[in-house]
Amino acid sequence: GDSVTQMEGPVTLSEEAFLTINCTYTATGYPSLFWYVQYPGEGLQLLLKATKADDKGSNKGFEATYRKETTSFHLEKGSVQVSDSAVYFCALSYSGGYQKVTFGTGTKLQVIP
Amino acid sequence: EADIYQTPRYLVIGTGKKITLECSQTMGHDKMYWYQQDPGMELHLIHYSYGVNSTEKGDLSSESTVSRIRTEHFPLTLESARPSHTSQYLCASSESGRTNEKLFFGSGTQLSVL
Repeated sequence: GDSVTQMEGPVTLSEEAFLTINCTYTATGYPSLFWYVQYPGEGLQLLLKATKADDKGSNKGFEATYRKETTSFHLEKGSVQVSDSAVYFCALSYSGGYQKVTFGTGTKLQVIP
Repeated sequence: EADIYQTPRYLVIGTGKKITLECSQTMGHDKMYWYQQDPGMELHLIHYSYGVNSTEKGDLSSESTVSRIRTEHFPLTLESARPSHTSQYLCASSESGRTNEKLFFGSGTQLSVL
């Protein structure tokens, strides 16, 4: 079956540091890949997505590239801010039908001033 | 952006009580979902629906039940709450169609059963 593996947290960084959160996946087909973010006390919201190999998703300074050869979708940001403190979820899903979404276990990021 | 609403945000209730967690969306989405989020943050799908009168069990077995009588409404009910039901419950929805796979989440209900 499908699965998503994320690096364990929490990750603590100083403001303006470079961020990488690793995500690898196992898939039986050709899924779309996503990063969702959950700010404290809120539900998840889509941060970025990529629908096919070599696509790069980007939003709010975050980027992730769909790497089929390494089955990875690592999240990066060049300079984090305190406001980026949140839990980040990597996920995959397929188009159509039931559209089951497989989530990783989440990585908590804390950015300190 | 999100037009999906959950009530209540927080609920503290005694063992044995019947509870209903409300979820409504105004986007006309056919697909709706309930996730249970444990303290370690992991998400578990407990129920989903393709549309009106369609409900299915998710990956994680749950004693809760759901109904989908109207497109916009997807309530979750626990007939007899227990401390093991204490968790965060997240409702989500998505459009039908092959190209849009984005999930929209509500803000969640934090349930505590004493």
